[in-house]
Amino acid sequence: NAGVMQNPRHLVRRRGQEARLRCSPMKGHSHVYWYRQLPEEGLKFMVYLQKENIIDESGMPKERFSAEFPKEGPSILRIQQVVRGDSAAYFCASSPYESTDTQYFGPGTRLTVL
Amino acid sequence: AQSVTQPDIHITVSEGASLELRCNYSYGATPYLFWYVQSPGQGLQLLLKYFSGDTLVQGIKGFEAEFKRSQSSFNLRKPSVHWSDAAEYFCAVGARGSQGNLIFGKGTKLSVKP
Repeated sequence: NAGVMQNPRHLVRRRGQEARLRCSPMKGHSHVYWYRQLPEEGLKFMVYLQKENIIDESGMPKERFSAEFPKEGPSILRIQQVVRGDSAAYFCASSPYESTDTQYFGPGTRLTVL
Repeated sequence: AQSVTQPDIHITVSEGASLELRCNYSYGATPYLFWYVQSPGQGLQLLLKYFSGDTLVQGIKGFEAEFKRSQSSFNLRKPSVHWSDAAEYFCAVGARGSQGNLIFGKGTKLSVKP
């Protein structure tokens, strides 16, 4: 059973471009969480999704950030018009349940904005 | 406000020595408690978790943690550190019955001297 997969692992964008980060949850998992890790910081929750639904986006910046988890395919975290402050590691976790107890993390996507 | 504090940013221990990493939390009620480990360039791996019951929790790789309600602490311990334990360690809390939002500390980086 493959773990949580994220791609790309490294992404470089210039200011003003768009970044798309993908997360494929573990097989059988229908709950996806996105976290952001800024340099020298812990992970900060961004958004929680189930298939085709955003359940909690309380940690998402109000502008430029969006997330989706379609019925088919991976979850996507989209950042429009990136700025240098968006440079961070973005982690995805998946869970089979609506709960904190069984989140499995992917390897992360490291975004660098030039 | 809910928060997790890991007072030690960086710890160095000799191989074979014992280890204790500190974690204190501020939360409205007794939360779920977790320790994760992150190797360089990798995602997070769950070491152990506490939900209820015995306050001394055993995890993988020889780690254990003790929940002390009176001190709002959940310190991670290992009796004899191996060079492969060098990594960053994160303490996290999650609300019971919540939709999965984990709150992380800023992490403690562990270096191991030969």
